[in-house]
Amino acid sequence: QVQLVESGGGVVQPGRSLRLSCAASGFTFSTYGMHWVRQAPGKGLEWVAAIIYDGTNEFYADSVKGRFTISRDNPKNTVYLQMSSLRVEDTAVYYCARDSRDCSSIDCSQFPLANWFDPWGQGTRVTVSS
Amino acid sequence: EIVLTQSPATLSLSPGERATLSCRASQSVTSYLAWYQQKPGQAPRLLIYLASKRATGIPARFSGSGSGTDFTLTISSLEPEDFAVYYCQQHRNWPLTFGGGTKVEIK
Repeated sequence: QVQLVESGGGVVQPGRSLRLSCAASGFTFSTYGMHWVRQAPGKGLEWVAAIIYDGTNEFYADSVKGRFTISRDNPKNTVYLQMSSLRVEDTAVYYCARDSRDCSSIDCSQFPLANWFDPWGQGTRVTVSS
Repeated sequence: EIVLTQSPATLSLSPGERATLSCRASQSVTSYLAWYQQKPGQAPRLLIYLASKRATGIPARFSGSGSGTDFTLTISSLEPEDFAVYYCQQHRNWPLTFGGGTKVEIK
């Protein structure tokens, strides 16, 4: 079955960096876009970043643009979120989620992402605190 | 940025009752709206996409409707496992945005 497993969370001081990983299994990773979504403690969901199936295009929320970088390694079936210049307000559970568009069976040259998320990983917690 | 406003914030209902959740967008998203369910300590789960299409494995008691700026998620008869927080999300424009959520609690 489709599985997404995040790792790399932890406690980090403001201004430092952290890299999250999301290992995928149970599907052809290289034909799907991937997303990161976060949830601050007791709050709602916030989309963070997306990357298309072949890694050639990325999208970011304004709140993380210039500080976070999404990337992927298709042979390793893994998507990453490199987080730099971390702030207290980046404290959250970070979920990776698969995009719903399978580019193996349709032409994704114009619209490589469906932009809804299914499934989600279980999340990894990031705490930014001095 | 498209702002999604969900109402009510909390819905107190009994099992077997009908739940009607609203999501209003600050500008038209045509039919590019999804709904997710989240239970405490769990990741969200996709229920509905493109406003009215049920995701794989989602029971028929869940239905979505609407277009443009006004959307509704209806749970026809609440089961005990349906008490959770529900989020809408627009998937038309960047940045992708979520509503603030509606908590469906047991009355």
